[in-house]
Amino acid sequence: RKEVEQDPGPFNVPEGATVAFNCTYSNSASQSFFWYRQDCRKEPKLLMSVYSSGNEDGRFTAQLNRASQYISLLIRDSKLSDSATYLCVVNGPAYSGAGSYQLTFGKGTKLSVIP
Amino acid sequence: EPEVTQTPSHQVTQMGQEVILRCVPISNHLYFYWYRQILGQKVEFLVSFYNNEISEKSEIFDDQFSVERPDGSNFTLKIRSTKLEDSAMYFCASSEQGTYSGNTIYFGEGSWLTVV
Repeated sequence: RKEVEQDPGPFNVPEGATVAFNCTYSNSASQSFFWYRQDCRKEPKLLMSVYSSGNEDGRFTAQLNRASQYISLLIRDSKLSDSATYLCVVNGPAYSGAGSYQLTFGKGTKLSVIP
Repeated sequence: EPEVTQTPSHQVTQMGQEVILRCVPISNHLYFYWYRQILGQKVEFLVSFYNNEISEKSEIFDDQFSVERPDGSNFTLKIRSTKLEDSAMYFCASSEQGTYSGNTIYFGEGSWLTVV
């Protein structure tokens, strides 16, 4: 079965801390990778795409290691508003093998930033 | 910013009843999806829809489920005979192109279904 695994969490960190999330995926044919953020009982919202070269968006840095099938997200100088569940999402061939792709979500890691 | 809208936001139904969840995807998007999330669990793919037909469906999407695009704007998910285990948040999503291209998909706020 094609799965995406994440740190179970929860992570409770003080404001200003740096926190790292890890994710592994099992399907080596996966094509694209994302981090989504989900607030309690809300829809997932795209935080950033993840590229092999690594990418940064302000306080957020994402890395992809295709050889290890490993994805990471680093949040620097964490804010109270960063409190949410962070979902690792992988786009790969669908279960049917019919040539289409679908997103597979990890269960998410809950982050609580404490004043 | 354009958004995917879903109705109802919350529905309570009795086991065995039929439910229709409605979605209005972003207007220029061509690909539509339904996902579900049981409380405390991960988001799971149900079905994708393109060019008026299902392009992919998961093992969850069995014969009790169906999707339809009845007009130019709505995209619906029907659950024919609801079971207790169908209780979940159902998310509609859409994208301009297929996800094979790494294209971003946009989620609606979800419809919370409670089966009693």
